[in-house]
Amino acid sequence: EPEVTQTPSHQVTQMGQEVILRCVPISNHLYFYWYRQILGQKVEFLVSFYNNEISEKSEIFDDQFSVERPDGSNFTLKIRSTKLEDSAMYFCASMDRQGSEQYFGPGTRLTVT
Amino acid sequence: AQSVTQLGSHVSVSEGALVLLRCNYSSSVPPYLFWYVQYPNQGLQLLLKYTTGATLVKGINGFEAEFKKSETSFHLTKPSAHMSDAAEYFCAVSLLTGGGNKLTFGTGTQLKVEL
Repeated sequence: EPEVTQTPSHQVTQMGQEVILRCVPISNHLYFYWYRQILGQKVEFLVSFYNNEISEKSEIFDDQFSVERPDGSNFTLKIRSTKLEDSAMYFCASMDRQGSEQYFGPGTRLTVT
Repeated sequence: AQSVTQLGSHVSVSEGALVLLRCNYSSSVPPYLFWYVQYPNQGLQLLLKYTTGATLVKGINGFEAEFKKSETSFHLTKPSAHMSDAAEYFCAVSLLTGGGNKLTFGTGTQLKVEL
């Protein structure tokens, strides 16, 4: 069964460093998302992406964040200058043209020290 | 705007007992409703969803949920709990709008199953 994959599974970085989280969505999906979950808290929407542009973003998704689909398969989330409060689990999701169900990847745990 | 409220951050049941996890939503338009399960150190797995049609929806692992518009609820139930059901459960809502369809999650309910 097709699945969303994410790499790395765990990333440790120092405050102020740039990180890129990578996702490979399901191949025929058209809508892509990033969510995050701070430890012990709920899952929060960051950004949605369709037709090579951001369709919606939350207030969390400030100028330090960017997303890109550099080729036909990868979908990346970049954090330009990480802060301690960026430590969280980051989930990628994708959805097909029919658009009723999002499929989630296993997540990347980002630890900022 | 949409929101989700899950009553009870922790629920404990005995093995074999009924599981009831509560979810209420707020939405300005007819919503799509979802229940996801998260096992420790894992991602989110869809249990079931309501989009349109039959208000009682069945999902994986014996779970089901009923959409009640008048009560703005989408409670998750399972007749008989199993030890393997111990996990965190998230209710989520999305709107029938254009390409976005972002999910708004509740705060989650940790289900504990005791012998």
